[in-house]
Amino acid sequence: EPEVTQTPSHQVTQMGQEVILRCVPISNHLYFYWYRQILGQKVEFLVSFYNNEISEKSEIFDDQFSVERPDGSNFTLKIRSTKLEDSAMYFCASRALTGMGETQYFGPGTRLLVL
Amino acid sequence: GESVGLHLPTLSVQEGDNSIINCAYSNSASDYFIWYKQESGKGPQFIIDIRSNMDKRQGQRVTVLLNKTVKHLSLQIAATQPGDSAVYFCAENISGGYQKVTFGTGTKLQVIP
Repeated sequence: EPEVTQTPSHQVTQMGQEVILRCVPISNHLYFYWYRQILGQKVEFLVSFYNNEISEKSEIFDDQFSVERPDGSNFTLKIRSTKLEDSAMYFCASRALTGMGETQYFGPGTRLLVL
Repeated sequence: GESVGLHLPTLSVQEGDNSIINCAYSNSASDYFIWYKQESGKGPQFIIDIRSNMDKRQGQRVTVLLNKTVKHLSLQIAATQPGDSAVYFCAENISGGYQKVTFGTGTKLQVIP
């Protein structure tokens, strides 16, 4: 069964450093998303991406965040200058254009710890 | 504003019993609802979904009920097993396009052997 994959599974970084979180969505999917989950809290939407551009973003997704689909398979989230409060699990999700309903399928997540 | 919330933070159920997890939503524009299961350290896993033109949908051992009148959603798990122990999130979505999924706060299901 196809699945969303994410790397790395864990990332530890110093405050102020840049991090890039990587995702490989399901191959025939065309909508891509990033969510985050601070420990013990609910999953929060960050950004959606379609047709090589951001289609929606939340208040959390400020100028320090960016997304990119550098090739036909990868989808990345970059945090330019990490803050302590960026520590969280980051989930990538993807969904098909049609034929599979609206379901978003989530990856296993990257646990980011900012020291 | 829109919100999705859960009535109970923790639910303990005896193995073999049925579980019912409840959820309230407030965005009347939402027309697609999903239940996700999240095990510790993992991403949300799709369980079952339902569209607003339905009031019940069944899967394998799971049933989702939707009451649009009171904006209430429930997940029923039959013959609960230890492997069902996880946090369950209801989520809502406006179908079509790129719309985000809005998650509730989650209910932790503990299955007692």
